[in-house]
This record gives sequence, C-alpha cells and structure tokens, in this order.
Amino acid sequence: AQSVSQHNHHVILSEAASLELGCNYSYGGTVNLFWYVQYPGQHLQLLLKYFSGDPLVKGIKGFEAEFIKSKFSFNLRKPSVQWSDTAEYFCAVNAGSGGGADGLTFGKGTHLIIQP
Amino acid sequence: DVKVTQSSRYLVKRTGEKVFLECVQDMDHENMFWYRQDPGLGLRLIYFSYDVKMKEKGDIPEGYSVSREKKERFSLILESASTNQTSMYLCASSQQGAGGYTFGSGTRLTVV
Repeated sequence: AQSVSQHNHHVILSEAASLELGCNYSYGGTVNLFWYVQYPGQHLQLLLKYFSGDPLVKGIKGFEAEFIKSKFSFNLRKPSVQWSDTAEYFCAVNAGSGGGADGLTFGKGTHLIIQP
Repeated sequence: DVKVTQSSRYLVKRTGEKVFLECVQDMDHENMFWYRQDPGLGLRLIYFSYDVKMKEKGDIPEGYSVSREKKERFSLILESASTNQTSMYLCASSQQGAGGYTFGSGTRLTVV
C-alpha cells in the first residue's frame, strides 16, 4: 500500500515569498502524483499532476512540482506567493498501474497562510 | 461544466440513525469514491467502486457501506451513526485510465 508524508502541517509566509511544500511517498512501483488545493469553504481542486515524462510539472496559478524518483519526492513550489494562495494543500498518490480505479492516498495536508 | 454533486451540504443526525449520503456525477465516469476529511488526518478512503454494483473497501470501511445501482450514483450508508463519524465526507469520480479525479463540495455530517 502507498503512503504519503507531508512535512509541514502549517506554513506561514509573507506575500512575494517563495514557497516549497514537501511531499514524500512510499510505494515500490510506478506512481501517479497529484497536488490538490482546498481554498477556505471550497471543494478540492487539482493544481497539477504527474503521470510520466518530464519530471518538472507546471500547474495552475503559477505552481509547479518536481518528481524526483530517487528521493520518492514530489515537492510543490511557487516563486512568489500571493495572499489568495492561503489554503490547505494536499499531496496524493495512486498506483500507476491501477488506471485510476483504486483511489488516491492523501497526505495529511499543509495549511498555508499568506500574510499581506 | 462537469460536476460531482453531493445532495446535502450539512446534515445533523442522532446517534444510532441510519444515514444516507448521496453522490451523483454527470461525466459518465467509471470510478467513484467516498472519502472522509478530518483536521490533521487529511483525506482517508472509505469505499470505492469501479463499476455498477461493484464495490471495494478502502482504508477505513468500518461502520460504512455503499451502494452503486447506477453508474452515475454512489451512495454512502452509515448503518448506525456514531459520534466518531462526525466529519466532512467527500465524493469523487474518475475516468478509467485517466487518473484525474473530480471532487464534490462535501457533506459536513454531525452526529449528536
């Protein structure tokens, strides 16, 4: 079974600061990797995903993530955050061979607060 | 716009009641999922289904059951609600092979 570890449960940054949220997973096979965001009072939205190919993935709203297979990591980055990035961020993984049928395993989430 | 719709945004039920949470998707997706979301625990998979009448246990199925009689509808059932089932419940769907998931807005269930 897969597991996902997000290193920071709470992160507080000032506007324009750079962001990196850590995510490590454990699974021996091929994986699909995701970052989701949940803005206050809203449903989960997909930020970006990695299935194969270029390990540097660009998503919506200026976010990107890099898959480093040797480190089992998929860290989320943004060069300059905005107040509107305040949200909860979830890293998730599923087995690449499952075709999406077997559900996602989520990390516990990182609560990001951006101070104006 | 494609959607996953959960019938109730907020529910309050009494201990011991049988509770039905409904989820409908309009994307003709094969796969559907029920998660619960709790602070500090992230999202945990309760049950999922990859086809009509098919169901599989997730990580925390105890105290829950599911029903999928039609492709577009996936119901979560709490046979006898307990206070530790107070949580936010999220439904999701995905297309076979695509790997992307669409989530509903959630149902916040309080069991008193």
